[in-house]
Amino acid sequence: AQKVTQAQTEISVVEKEDVTLDCVYETRDTTYYLFWYKQPPSGELVFLIRRNSFDEQNEISGRYSWNFQKSTSSFNFTITASQVVDSAVYFCALSEAGYALNFGKGTSLLVTP
Amino acid sequence: GAGVSQSPRYKVAKRGQDVALRCDPISGHVSLFWYQQALGQGPEFLTYFQNEAQLDKSGLPSDRFFAERPEGSVSTLKIQRTQQEDSAVYLCASSQDLANQPQHFGDGTRLSIL
Repeated sequence: AQKVTQAQTEISVVEKEDVTLDCVYETRDTTYYLFWYKQPPSGELVFLIRRNSFDEQNEISGRYSWNFQKSTSSFNFTITASQVVDSAVYFCALSEAGYALNFGKGTSLLVTP
Repeated sequence: GAGVSQSPRYKVAKRGQDVALRCDPISGHVSLFWYQQALGQGPEFLTYFQNEAQLDKSGLPSDRFFAERPEGSVSTLKIQRTQQEDSAVYLCASSQDLANQPQHFGDGTRLSIL
C-alpha cells in the first residue's frame, strides 16, 4: 500500500502565481519523519525540508512554506510567487524505521513565463 | 567533489549481461542507500548500509541484485543477468548517521537494458 500519496500528478502555473503541492501520508508509528525533495530535469534529488512527527510548527524558508497537520496526515508545500526555476518534480517522503525513505509518486510542476 | 558521485552516468547493456554501478558517498557519511526510480515514479528503496554492514536489503527485487560496501565508503550495486525490467535510474544517497538525517543524493545512473 502506498504510504505517501501525492494526488496531483502535474500542475501548471504562470510565473508569480502561488502554488500548493499536496502530500498525504499513512503510518501507525508515533515517531516518524517527513521530507520534501525537488528533482529538476538534471535528475539529482535536492533536499528541501525535514519535519519530525512531534513538531507541527509550520515552517517558512524564503518563498517556500510547509504546513504539517497530523490531524489530517498531511504535509503540504506552498511556493509563493513561483518562478520558472521552480519547474521540477517534487517528492514528498516518509521515514518510519529511521532510514529508508518511502516516496510518493511526485508532482510535476511547470512554471511558465 | 563535495557531493555524492555516481558512475557511470548512463549505462546501456544487452539483456543477460552483468552490470556494476558505483557510488562514492560524501566523505564521512556513515549511512549509504540505494534506490531504484522507474520512469515517472518516485524512488523505491533497495538497500541500506551503515559503514560496511548491509543492514537492510529488503528492497532488492531479486537475487540477481547484489550490493556491497567493503571498506565503508564506496559502494557498488551489481545486477547479474540483466532483464528489460531492470531499466531504471539507480540513485545512491548518503547521510551522516542513522537518525533520520537528510539523505543527499547523487545524479543517478540511468540503466537501459536492450
